[in-house]
Amino acid sequence: QQQVKQSPQSLIVQKGGISIINCAYENTAFDYFPWYQQFPGKGPALLIAIRPDVSEKKEGRFTISFNKSAKQFSLHIMDSQPGDSATYFCAASITDYQLIWGAGTKLIIKP
Amino acid sequence: EAQVTQNPRYLITVTGKKLTVTCSQNMNHEYMSWYRQDPGLGLRQIYYSMNVEVTDKGDVPEGYKVSRKEKRNFPLILESPSPNQTSLYFCASSTNRGLTYSNTEAFFGQGTRLTVV
Repeated sequence: QQQVKQSPQSLIVQKGGISIINCAYENTAFDYFPWYQQFPGKGPALLIAIRPDVSEKKEGRFTISFNKSAKQFSLHIMDSQPGDSATYFCAASITDYQLIWGAGTKLIIKP
Repeated sequence: EAQVTQNPRYLITVTGKKLTVTCSQNMNHEYMSWYRQDPGLGLRQIYYSMNVEVTDKGDVPEGYKVSRKEKRNFPLILESPSPNQTSLYFCASSTNRGLTYSNTEAFFGQGTRLTVV
């Protein structure tokens, strides 16, 4: 019930394509869903976040789609660039101070 | 420059030899946290602290200790390390509004790669 399941584990996308990473959860008490981006040798950094009262949030080329009834949310990266190559983590809040993290998706954008 | 600093970045140690990983932040954040990152498991929270002298267990606290005597520092202590504690460790800090307030960001250190043999 406390898990966040993330897929795929790895993803290769051509430059200019759309990258899509999916996450699913069971606990309906989760109320905040951030995505973090991690480059090799660095700690994760907040990319974009959403609350379940909206179905979509867009920031530049990054969009979160949220389906409350299906208990799923996804990250879409439009016009993917080589600089987007990183590991992406979805997460969900269990309290104001605790996040449950997905396993991560290693994204590679091929030039 | 706002940052979270962890030391050391890399550490190889032997089973049972006590070690401390330091974490310091210069943003006057109330909230600090330790995570371990393992392949296929994402990040799992070890301990967190909402302010000086206030700490609480995360998801995987066994085998770890923390202390928060000063606002800027949050060391992670392994009293008797074991090989299953071989991992990549991250310290994070945030404001006292917690991680779920608007787009409150958790600032992460660069990580400490620990190997216990």
